Amino acid sequence: KQEVTQIPAALSVPEGENLVLNCSFTDSAIYNLQWFRQDPGKGLTSLLLIQSSQREQTSGRLNASLDKSSGRSTLYIAASQPGDSATYLCAVSGGFKTIFGAGTRLFVKA
Amino acid sequence: EAGVVQSPRYKIIEKKQPVAFWCNPISGHNTLYWYLQNLGQGPELLIRYENEEAVDDSQLPKDRFSAERLKGVDSTLKIQPAELGDSAVYLCASSLASGWDTGELFFGEGSRLTVL
Repeated sequence: KQEVTQIPAALSVPEGENLVLNCSFTDSAIYNLQWFRQDPGKGLTSLLLIQSSQREQTSGRLNASLDKSSGRSTLYIAASQPGDSATYLCAVSGGFKTIFGAGTRLFVKA
Repeated sequence: EAGVVQSPRYKIIEKKQPVAFWCNPISGHNTLYWYLQNLGQGPELLIRYENEEAVDDSQLPKDRFSAERLKGVDSTLKIQPAELGDSAVYLCASSLASGWDTGELFFGEGSRLTVL
């Protein structure tokens, strides 16, 4: 059974810092991995989708990497801003299932 | 292009009352999902539709929950009767892909249910 873990559960950083969020999964037989952002009281917004054949994807200040063999993905946020404050969730898809991590709550201090 | 639309955004009911949530997916998305999200946790799948067929309802508590997607477009999730433990956010998502490839998921804003 696939299990997805996100560490740390919460993170507070000063504005301008580069940061890395981690996602680990137990079953490497995945089809894709998706990173989402969730603001309080809102739904999930898709940030990046990495197919299993890819190693990374980039969008603006965001870069997500995928290492299937080690069961890990990282989301790199460059030059963090207060507007980046939100919960970031990763989701792993494979075998007709999508399993979500519990998320990392990020707070960027101005 | 409109995203996934859900209603109502908020619902407060007494326990044992019925409640229904509605979802309209992104146009052209054949696959529709209902997820449950408890505070501080990731979403958990309740049911997945491909067109009008429920292809995965293994996690749907069928004694009190029901869902339908009659014409393969919009969908309704119902709870009857509601229990205190049903208080959560109910999220709807859709994707273009089907089968083993779930594709990129797009979510609505969610329906927050409070059962008193």
